[in-house]
Amino acid sequence: DTEVTQTPKHLVMGMTNKKSLKCEQHMGHRAMYWYKQKAKKPPELMFVYSYEKLSINESVPSRFSPECPNSSLLNLHLHALQPEDSALYLCASSLAGVGGDEQFFGPGTRLTVL
Amino acid sequence: QKEVEQNSGPLSVPEGAIASLNCTYSDRGSQSFFWYRQYSGKSPELIMSIYSNGDKEDGRFTAQLNKASQYVSLLIRDSQPSDSATYLCAVNRNYGQNFVFGPGTRLSVLP
Repeated sequence: DTEVTQTPKHLVMGMTNKKSLKCEQHMGHRAMYWYKQKAKKPPELMFVYSYEKLSINESVPSRFSPECPNSSLLNLHLHALQPEDSALYLCASSLAGVGGDEQFFGPGTRLTVL
Repeated sequence: QKEVEQNSGPLSVPEGAIASLNCTYSDRGSQSFFWYRQYSGKSPELIMSIYSNGDKEDGRFTAQLNKASQYVSLLIRDSQPSDSATYLCAVNRNYGQNFVFGPGTRLSVLP
């Protein structure tokens, strides 16, 4: 299995809702990432988990809460989002370690906050 | 100065021509460099990675790296209309698995 999967593909939520995005990989990768991408902009790094520990948090607001239950799964919990948080949320994974920098992306979750 | 810069385009080339995409970066400590292709509405797809100075070829794609000039390029030979996409240059910062992407160059290959 050489892919990263993400669910759901699309999500519409109100500003008071709580929802979660899920990401899964079975490539034995030990680093997993969340990115946010707005239209016509490059992906922006949000969080990095390395060996199931949060290693990078790029000053993301607390209404986004990541979780890594095991080496194959990555969640992003969403609460009290704002309309400006509407974007494509991308999950990626990489081998980690020396020479293991290549990141492979999932298809993304397109999030709309009303 | 932005960390990673690319010509925003759009870059238009005729079918069968060579498309040349350029990227410069500011952090001299960067060690690994990547080119991704992103079709509209889709996620980025890895095309090439390059770690050492010089050229690296894979099919119709050649990546070139010059660390002294802090410059990475991607050449696409025999361009096809299916190559029309946004090409993202990514640089791994010298601390951990921490990518920064350039703004992307939109390539249009005209039949």
